[in-house]
Amino acid sequence: GAVVSQHPSWVICKSGTSVKIECRSLDFQATTMFWYRQFPKQSLMLMATSNEGSKATYEQGVEKDKFLINHASLTLSTLTVTSAHPEDSSFYICSAALKETQYFGPGTRLLVL
Amino acid sequence: AQSVSQHNHHVILSEAASLELGCNYSYGGTVNLFWYVQYPGQHLQLLLKYFSGDPLVKGIKGFEAEFIKSKFSFNLRKPSVQWSDTAEYFCAVNVVTTDSWGKLQFGAGTQVVVTP
Repeated sequence: GAVVSQHPSWVICKSGTSVKIECRSLDFQATTMFWYRQFPKQSLMLMATSNEGSKATYEQGVEKDKFLINHASLTLSTLTVTSAHPEDSSFYICSAALKETQYFGPGTRLLVL
Repeated sequence: AQSVSQHNHHVILSEAASLELGCNYSYGGTVNLFWYVQYPGQHLQLLLKYFSGDPLVKGIKGFEAEFIKSKFSFNLRKPSVQWSDTAEYFCAVNVVTTDSWGKLQFGAGTQVVVTP
């Protein structure tokens, strides 16, 4: 139980384009999902908290207009990286909360050329 | 500022050796504590968690962790490791307040390599 999926698992895009990443809780409903960024050989950095039916809460230093989050249903949250630039290349990981425990997706590797 | 410290960045040990990974946090209030593991090429998986009660918690794959409130620590242990325990281990803390529900703060991670 408590399986979280992400799609796509990897994506390459040109600078200036937008990329959408989906995060789904497959066997449970999640009112709250989280989006993280992981740099090579580093820990996870929380970007934002996504709440179903309301606006996301962004961590300090994270541009909300650049990283658009939508949590339209209890099983789906999306992260859209708008006007992506090479510095946005990273590993993006989502998690979904169930009974005060977060369950993580497999991550999406984004490469912006 | 709140922080989570993992004492070792890299640990190399032989099969059957005992493993202990340290984790300390800096917040004095109520916390929920977690250990996650990330096997090579795989996603983060929950090893064990502590919310309240018995400070010695048992997780999957023979791992256990002990919460020592006076030391702000939550160390992970396994008596006898296997090659398949090669992975990165992350300690994470959720500070329980009204406006930070569920938010995890992660340690830097410890890369564990078990040699045959």
